[in-house]
Amino acid sequence: IVLTQSPGTLSLSPGERATLSCRASQSVTSSFLAWYQQKPGQAPRLLIHGATSRATGVPDRFSASGSGTDFTLTITRLETEDSAVYYCHQYGSSPLTFGGGTKVEIK
Amino acid sequence: QVKLAESGGDLVKPGGSLRLSCVASGFTFNDYYMTWIRQAPGKGLEWVSYIDGRSTFTRYADSVKGRFTISRDNAKNSLYLQMNSLRAEDTAVYYCASSPPPIFGAFPPYYFNYWGQGALVTVSS
Repeated sequence: IVLTQSPGTLSLSPGERATLSCRASQSVTSSFLAWYQQKPGQAPRLLIHGATSRATGVPDRFSASGSGTDFTLTITRLETEDSAVYYCHQYGSSPLTFGGGTKVEIK
Repeated sequence: QVKLAESGGDLVKPGGSLRLSCVASGFTFNDYYMTWIRQAPGKGLEWVSYIDGRSTFTRYADSVKGRFTISRDNAKNSLYLQMNSLRAEDTAVYYCASSPPPIFGAFPPYYFNYWGQGALVTVSS
């Protein structure tokens, strides 16, 4: 399954809302989709699994939705620390695949 | 808390070999799938290989099949990646990552709940 993320880059101001898209080339089984955050020079960090479940310690400013082929990660009330690249990943079909990432820049 | 620490990254010539290690702590290592994921400079994430808790099942990306070997030593809470016949395109930061408990209906290794800090492998003459 090919995952296409859009936009490639999102440039927003603190306090704004970011909406990131992950579109799959075919339906993702049982919404087995995860989102990761990767800050510069750091390893990725799990944000969301099962399409909508926040990982432990993830602020509730991060939420996710979607099913089938269309998934969304929403970050409300953006903070400067949210500047990162965000990746989606499907684990419902083999082989597992990652999206190409969306870079979120904070103005 | 869970900690994954990779080591072994280095500069190596094309055709050379390298062995990466990942030491885990803070969880029952032998219960879970472990995966190597790499990231070429300025690029996205690419899974390389994964192994189940008892070393009965391994899988490799086509790009490394026949050249890389994943293994683990549960007594040492350690994961390994033996990389042979290295190519310039293998240059990347290599992360080890752990998986959650089995998820009914999903394909292992499922998602990645913890990641190491990464080991840089540079293949260049």
